[in-house]
Amino acid sequence: AQKVTQAQTEISVVEKEDVTLDCVYETRDTTYYLFWYKQPPSGELVFLIRRNSFDEQNEISGRYSWNFQKSTSSFNFTITASQVVDSAVYFCALSILTGGGNKLTFGTGTQLKVEL
Amino acid sequence: EPEVTQTPSHQVTQMGQEVILRCVPISNHLYFYWYRQILGQKVEFLVSFYNNEISEKSEIFDDQFSVERPDGSNFTLKIRSTKLEDSAMYFCASSELRQGVGDTQYFGPGTRLTVL
Repeated sequence: AQKVTQAQTEISVVEKEDVTLDCVYETRDTTYYLFWYKQPPSGELVFLIRRNSFDEQNEISGRYSWNFQKSTSSFNFTITASQVVDSAVYFCALSILTGGGNKLTFGTGTQLKVEL
Repeated sequence: EPEVTQTPSHQVTQMGQEVILRCVPISNHLYFYWYRQILGQKVEFLVSFYNNEISEKSEIFDDQFSVERPDGSNFTLKIRSTKLEDSAMYFCASSELRQGVGDTQYFGPGTRLTVL
C-alpha cells in the first residue's frame, strides 16, 4: 500500500521568508510519480509539479523549487521569498500504475500561513 | 486554457435523498476520477473511470455510489441515499491517456455537498 506523510500540519512565516514543506512517501513499486498540489482558501486543487521515480533532478521554477531524494523517500517543496498569496494548504501526492488509471494517494496537507 | 468544470458548486440535500454531481472533464482527456475531501481532512480517492467503465474504486465507493458518462462531455457521480457522513467536497479530475502512469490529473473546483 502507498502512503504519503506530511508531518507539518501548519507553518506560519513572515512575508519574504523562505519556507520548506516536507513530504515523505512509502511505496514498494519502483515506478511511481510524485505531485504537489496547492489548495488556496477558495478550495480548488491546483497542480504545481510532477516528478517520476527515475528523475531525481531537482527543479527550480521562479520562487518554487523541489528536492526529490529517493534515498530518503522524500519530495520536499521550497518557496523562496514567500508572499501572502502563497497562503494555502499544500498537498503532496503519490501515484503508481494500478492496472487501471493512476489514483492519487494524498498526504494530510500542510497549511501555510504567510503574514505581513 | 482548458479546465475541468463542476456543477453545482454547492448542493444541500436531506438525508436519504439522491444527488447527482456533474463534471465536464477536459475535452481530450480519457481518464476520469472522483475524489472527496471531508472538511479539514485529506483528499481521498473514490473511483477512476476509463473507456466507459470503472477501472478502480476505493472501499468508500460502496453500492450507494455510481458513476456514469451519459454523453460525450459529462461525467457524473450519483449518491443514491445520502447520509450525514457524505457531507464533503467532491472533486472531479481528468487526465490524458499517456503511458498510463503518473499522468497529471487536473481537478475541477469541487462541489460542496451538505447533507442535513
